[in-house]
Amino acid sequence: GIQVEQSPPDLILQEGANSTLRCNFSDSVNNLQWFHQNPWGQLINLFYIPSGTKQNGRLSATTVATERYSLLYISSSQTTDSGVYFCAVARGGSYIPTFGRGTSLIVHP
Amino acid sequence: DVKVTQSSRYLVKRTGEKVFLECVQDMDHENMFWYRQDPGLGLRLIYFSYDVKMKEKGDIPEGYSVSREKKERFSLILESASTNQTSMYLCASSLPATVGSYSPLHFGNGTRLTVT
Repeated sequence: GIQVEQSPPDLILQEGANSTLRCNFSDSVNNLQWFHQNPWGQLINLFYIPSGTKQNGRLSATTVATERYSLLYISSSQTTDSGVYFCAVARGGSYIPTFGRGTSLIVHP
Repeated sequence: DVKVTQSSRYLVKRTGEKVFLECVQDMDHENMFWYRQDPGLGLRLIYFSYDVKMKEKGDIPEGYSVSREKKERFSLILESASTNQTSMYLCASSLPATVGSYSPLHFGNGTRLTVT
């Protein structure tokens, strides 16, 4: 099956700092999503981004499908950004996503 | 807003017990999924279902079964719970996807199961 690698596995930031999270995948995909899991365990969709760039407030994401990676940018981080960020990819006509192992982010005040 | 509801937030069971984890979604989604989440391993797919009474094995189906008698409900069954099934279990649902379409996953809040 498709392999998904996320880096770094852990990240600790001071409030206000910027960060970049990376997702590499082993095969071509037509579906890629970024999720945030808050400290209470709830997973929320951040972006659907199989290619190109999108922005939503302080967060933005870029996927370079030909080179098989995606980046999630967090600017001016806040303590509420803490949690685990997952990348999930799928290929083919059906949507059965494969998740990476996640990046655990802690933002200190 | 799509709502995916898992029946229990925390559950403690004994080794050998039969365990039922229930998941209900209210948006008429065809696809439903069960994942387990363990530290450092991310989310791993146990089973998924793309229609009533239809089910497919995911990456780690051993020790689990599922039931989907109604479109809105997808149950995960541990026939004989073991300590290595202690984990966070997450249910999700989505619409069917076609190439190039967006079908986001909607997750429940999770059930943290402890098997002693």
